[in-house]
Amino acid sequence: DQQVKQNSPSLSVQEGRISILNCDYTNSMFDYFLWYKKYPAEGPTFLISISSIKDKNEDGRFTVFLNKSAKHLSLHIVPSQPGDSAVYFCAASARGQNFVFGPGTRLSVLP
Amino acid sequence: IAGITQAPTSQILAAGRRMTLRCTQDMRHNAMYWYRQDLGLGLRLIHYSNTAGTTGKGEVPDGYSVSRANTDDFPLTLASAVPSQTSVYFCASSDLRGAKYNEQFFGPGTRLTVL
Repeated sequence: DQQVKQNSPSLSVQEGRISILNCDYTNSMFDYFLWYKKYPAEGPTFLISISSIKDKNEDGRFTVFLNKSAKHLSLHIVPSQPGDSAVYFCAASARGQNFVFGPGTRLSVLP
Repeated sequence: IAGITQAPTSQILAAGRRMTLRCTQDMRHNAMYWYRQDLGLGLRLIHYSNTAGTTGKGEVPDGYSVSRANTDDFPLTLASAVPSQTSVYFCASSDLRGAKYNEQFFGPGTRLTVL
C-alpha cells in the first residue's frame, strides 16, 4: 500500500489561475515533506519543502501547506505559467530516513 | 557544470544479460541513491549509500546490486536482467552534512528496456 498518495494523475489549469496539487500520506512518523518538479527527459528538481513543525512555507509563486491532523499537504502555484507544466512529485521522510515518493501529478497550464 | 551524469542515456537489453548503469557526481555529496520510475508508482528507491564504502537496500532492491568505492561514483548492476526491470532509472545525490541535507539532486535518467 502506498504511503504517499497523489490521487489526481493529471490537472489542467488556465494560465494566470491558481494550481493546487494535493498529496496525502499514511505514515504519522513522516516529519519532512518535499515537492519535486520533473520535465520530460530530465531528472526531478527540488521545488519546495516543509518541516512538520510548520504548516506553511512560501517561496515566490509556490506555497506548500501542511495539515498534520489530516495527513495532507498541498502545493499552490499562483499565478500559474505555461512553464510550470510538468509532473510534480510529493515526497516524505521520517526522522531523516530515505524519502518515499508519491506517483506524481501531471500539471498542464494552458495559455 | 557541477551535477550528476548518468550513462547510458538509454539501452535495450536482452533478458538474462548483465548491465551496469553508471552514475557520477562532482558535488562531493556524501550520499547517493538509485531510483526507478514506473508509471503510476512514482520513484521507488532501489539502493542507497550514505557514504563511500557503505550501501543499503531501499524499497525494491531485488535483482540489483551497487557499490560505492569512492565519493563520486555509484554504479548500479543488473546481474541478469528481466523484463520487469524495464524502467527509467534515476541516480541522485545529497549532502547529509549540510543544512539542505534533505534535498536530493537528480541525474537525467537512463531509460532501460529489457526484452
